[in-house]
Amino acid sequence: KAGVTQTPRYLIKTRGQQVTLSCSPISGHRSVSWYQQTPGQGLQFLFEYFSETQRNKGNFPGRFSGRQFSNSRSEMNVSTLELGDSALYLCASSSYSSTDTQYFGPGTRLTVL
Amino acid sequence: KNEVEQSPQNLTAQEGEFITINCSYSVGISALHWLQQHPGGGIVSLFMLSSGKKKHGRLIATINIQEKHSSLHITASHPRDSAVYICAVSPDSNYQLIWGAGTKLIIKP
Repeated sequence: KAGVTQTPRYLIKTRGQQVTLSCSPISGHRSVSWYQQTPGQGLQFLFEYFSETQRNKGNFPGRFSGRQFSNSRSEMNVSTLELGDSALYLCASSSYSSTDTQYFGPGTRLTVL
Repeated sequence: KNEVEQSPQNLTAQEGEFITINCSYSVGISALHWLQQHPGGGIVSLFMLSSGKKKHGRLIATINIQEKHSSLHITASHPRDSAVYICAVSPDSNYQLIWGAGTKLIIKP
């Protein structure tokens, strides 16, 4: 089985721009979660999608949004980028929920200048 | 107080030493996960357990549900074990994982 893939792997943007990141889960997995990781910080939960519906949401501003398609692929969007949005964005897929083994993608490293 | 606490935050040891990383949690859980993150950023799931003990190679994970505590042990540690080890729990009432802050482990040759 192919693993979780994320594109792009690296991205450089300037303040005020918007960005879209993509995550393709393992085939058959229906749950996709997104996390932000900044230097020295643990994983901060952004949101989780299951069967095209947002099932959980973390404490991030409305500039952070996401969606999931019928093939379980997910995208997250950040609008009006700020310097503090520079981070590693990770997605994880699982069969159904957090009680299943989580499989992580390699992440997208976003730098906001 | 965080719902998932890991200790120690940082651990440096010599190659060959027996390593223990602890995780305590304060919520009811369905499962507990141990994950490993290498410096490049990739995260790998090591164990998922809801009771007892699991072993994979030199890694052993235990959980005590009554005491709300789990430990990750590494026997015969090696420099390639150097990574951040993260504990996360699946709470009974939510699909969302609750994450510990991680333990940064450095094994010196």
